[in-house]
Amino acid sequence: DAGVIQSPRHEVTEMGQEVTLRCKPISGHDYLFWYRQTMMRGLELLIYFNNNVPIDDSGMPEDRFSAKMPNASFSTLKIQPSEPRDSAVYFCASSLSALGYTFGSGTRLTVV
Amino acid sequence: GQQLNQSPQSMFIQEGEDVSMNCTSSSIFNTWLWYKQDPGEGPVLLIALYKAGELTSNGRLTAQFGITRKDSFLNISASIPSDVGIYFCAGQLRSSNTGKLIFGQGTTLQVKP
Repeated sequence: DAGVIQSPRHEVTEMGQEVTLRCKPISGHDYLFWYRQTMMRGLELLIYFNNNVPIDDSGMPEDRFSAKMPNASFSTLKIQPSEPRDSAVYFCASSLSALGYTFGSGTRLTVV
Repeated sequence: GQQLNQSPQSMFIQEGEDVSMNCTSSSIFNTWLWYKQDPGEGPVLLIALYKAGELTSNGRLTAQFGITRKDSFLNISASIPSDVGIYFCAGQLRSSNTGKLIFGQGTTLQVKP
């Protein structure tokens, strides 16, 4: 089992640019979660999907953030336009029937 | 609110010492999980607890699901340098019918050889 795969591992972009983060969940898992981690706020849930359907996006900071899950094996988190305060580590996690998450290695985003 | 209060925030101990950390809440949880995060990696599940009063071990780690369902603790015995990292508690609310977990703020552990 390859685990949850995120790409890229690191992303440096200029303010105003569009950023797309990618996630491949563990095969067979029916839940997918996007988290953001910062020193100040810890782990924050942004959005999660169940069977590819968005269930709760109340954690998405603002309209600049959007997430999609076109099929069971792929999800994206997009930030457009990006701002320096979006700099953080973004984690994707998946689970089977919500019984304990498996996290990816994260994408470290730096917006300059 | 639906917050988890995790303590201590950080610990600096000598190799070989035992460690204890805990999470408390005013809400009732169905599930308690403990994760460890190494630098540059995502959190990794250490122990999962599904029943009030449950005591579970994983090597030198022991965790318990509190009887009141509002708290949990994690103990690490005979700490070693590779125990360094951030430990997170996480819980699923009894009132929740979703897969959403609430995470504590983390306990940063440093071990001096």
